Amino acid sequence: KAGVTQTPRYLIKTRGQQVTLSCSPISGHRSVSWYQQTPGQGLQFLFEYFSETQRNKGNFPGRFSGRQFSNSRSEMNVSTLELGDSALYLCASSRPGTSGPNEQFFGPGTRLTVL
Amino acid sequence: AQTVTQSQPEMSVQEAETVTLSCTYDTSESNYYLFWYKQPPSRQMILVIRQEAYKQQNATENRFSVNFQKAAKSFSLKISDSQLGDTAMYFCAFSGPLVFGKGTRLSVIA
Repeated sequence: KAGVTQTPRYLIKTRGQQVTLSCSPISGHRSVSWYQQTPGQGLQFLFEYFSETQRNKGNFPGRFSGRQFSNSRSEMNVSTLELGDSALYLCASSRPGTSGPNEQFFGPGTRLTVL
Repeated sequence: AQTVTQSQPEMSVQEAETVTLSCTYDTSESNYYLFWYKQPPSRQMILVIRQEAYKQQNATENRFSVNFQKAAKSFSLKISDSQLGDTAMYFCAFSGPLVFGKGTRLSVIA
């Protein structure tokens, strides 16, 4: 079974631009979560989507947005990029069940550099 | 809000020895899950072990085991017979949406 895939793997943008990152979950997984990883702040939760609906949202400004499609693929968008948005963006998928949080399977991440 | 604290930024262990990574957390919930994730240099996050708070028995996965102390809100990871491939960042996390600690960088030395 193929794992979680993220595209692109590396991205370089300049301040003020916008960027869209893509995540394809494991087949059969309907929940997709996004995390930002930086040396200073560590791993922080961005948002979670399930069945095309945002189920949870972390404490990030409105410049960070996301969506999920009917095939469970998800995209996140960051508008008006700032230097501080440089980070590794991780996507994770899971197959929600009836007994507590399911294991989240992570993708390899997208390394975003903002110049 | 839940918080997770890992007090050891870096640790090292000799190959074949045992090492314990510490994690404490704070929550007002009574039922929750705790996880240890491993992130090797490839950056791929891999689940090492999970613990359900209502289960008193400590979880074990091959060479990895936890010491879960619910009253003390402590969740340490023990790695036995350390191998070079265990070299990685280890993150303790509280159940989803995942709240992560800052991580412990573990180096296994030959």
